[in-house]
Amino acid sequence: ILNVEQSPQSLHVQEGDSTNFTCSFPSSNFYALHWYRWETAKSPEALFVMTLNGDEKKKGRISATLNTKEGYSYLYIKGSQPEDSATYLCAFGGTSYGKLTFGQGTILTVHP
Amino acid sequence: GAGVSQSPSNKVTEKGKDVELRCDPISGHTALYWYRQSLGQGLEFLIYFQGNSAPDKSGLPSDRFSAERTGGSVSTLTIQRTQQEDSAVYLCASSPTPTANTGELFFGEGSRLTVL
Repeated sequence: ILNVEQSPQSLHVQEGDSTNFTCSFPSSNFYALHWYRWETAKSPEALFVMTLNGDEKKKGRISATLNTKEGYSYLYIKGSQPEDSATYLCAFGGTSYGKLTFGQGTILTVHP
Repeated sequence: GAGVSQSPSNKVTEKGKDVELRCDPISGHTALYWYRQSLGQGLEFLIYFQGNSAPDKSGLPSDRFSAERTGGSVSTLTIQRTQQEDSAVYLCASSPTPTANTGELFFGEGSRLTVL
């Protein structure tokens, strides 16, 4: 059984705060690490697909880093806005084909 | 040009009944996944289809669950003799590539199943 763990489980921040959360995954047999955002009443949407140790990806105010040797990825949100409120999911790909194992998610609430 | 489509969006059924959940992936996507999210849990992998290869059924929780994908497109997840613990949101996703290291998943909006 693969352990993909996310922390914290939930997070409340004020508008304008910067925040970050963690995804931990097995450090062996790594192929990919995905991040998704899941807003209430919508479908999960991909943020990043990361494959190389040391990868850094950025999309607007959101960025992510990857450390495959120690098995973790950080997701950062700079200057949080209420519309960033969502569940953030990471998913680990430990094989060359497509199966992904998801973490339980971090629920982010940004208060105006 | 539509996204992944799932039906029904909501299904309430009685314990012991069979249910079918349908997924219409994005045209041309070769990989198709079923996941479910039970209350308070993360996304649980159920089954993965890739082209004409044998599906990875390793996540199906019991033999009451089965899925098929016809013509490499539409998929149906069938749950026989539903139990209350089957209550969850069932999510379908498709991907244009078969490999985890390049293929982001495109999700449908899910089918919420409630078993009374």
